[in-house]
Amino acid sequence: DGGITQSPKYLFRKEGQNVTLSCEQNLNHDAMYWYRQDPGQGLRLIYYSQIVNDFQKGDIAEGYSVSREKKESFPLTVTSAQKNPTAFYLCASSIVGNSNYGYTFGSGTRLTVV
Amino acid sequence: AQSVSQHNHHVILSEAASLELGCNYSYGGTVNLFWYVQYPGQHLQLLLKYFSGDPLVKGIKGFEAEFIKSKFSFNLRKPSVQWSDTAEYFCAVSSGTYKYIFGTGTRLKVLA
Repeated sequence: DGGITQSPKYLFRKEGQNVTLSCEQNLNHDAMYWYRQDPGQGLRLIYYSQIVNDFQKGDIAEGYSVSREKKESFPLTVTSAQKNPTAFYLCASSIVGNSNYGYTFGSGTRLTVV
Repeated sequence: AQSVSQHNHHVILSEAASLELGCNYSYGGTVNLFWYVQYPGQHLQLLLKYFSGDPLVKGIKGFEAEFIKSKFSFNLRKPSVQWSDTAEYFCAVSSGTYKYIFGTGTRLKVLA
């Protein structure tokens, strides 16, 4: 079945550490996205990528970094510079050039700083 | 800048009650509108979408939404809710790009 796989489901990080969240899709979608979900704040865009080796900052990119070396993969690194990293992180993908299609979401990674 | 407002943050209903969740957006041009649902422990799923044509859109599980351009609204409705509709609902807007703006979400609890 085609879809998006995010791993791990739960992640614990010590303060000052960088961690990387994995996102892999087999839908052959060109565009991929990272959102952060916090209670009462909805989904906020961190980074997005339209094509391989290219990505753009979203609304809350500070303290995060991404790479897009392969079409299928869009890992997100939460760096020690992110002041409040505890949140639920969602990865999504879509077809480029057709915003009518909608996003396909992964099941998310819950990151907790301990 | 575009924005999406969902005014109801928490809604509690009894089974068989009617549901209407509000969604207003701020953007003057052509928009594509979506409702997503997140059931407890599950990932976000597309409930319905509007991009052109009939402003009354029907989605899965008996949900529908009406696009009222003059009011910049895209409210979600269901005539009779079930316990299984307990979830968080998100409205989203796209202005023709593939970048969406999401609302803050509405948590719906249906009492059996």
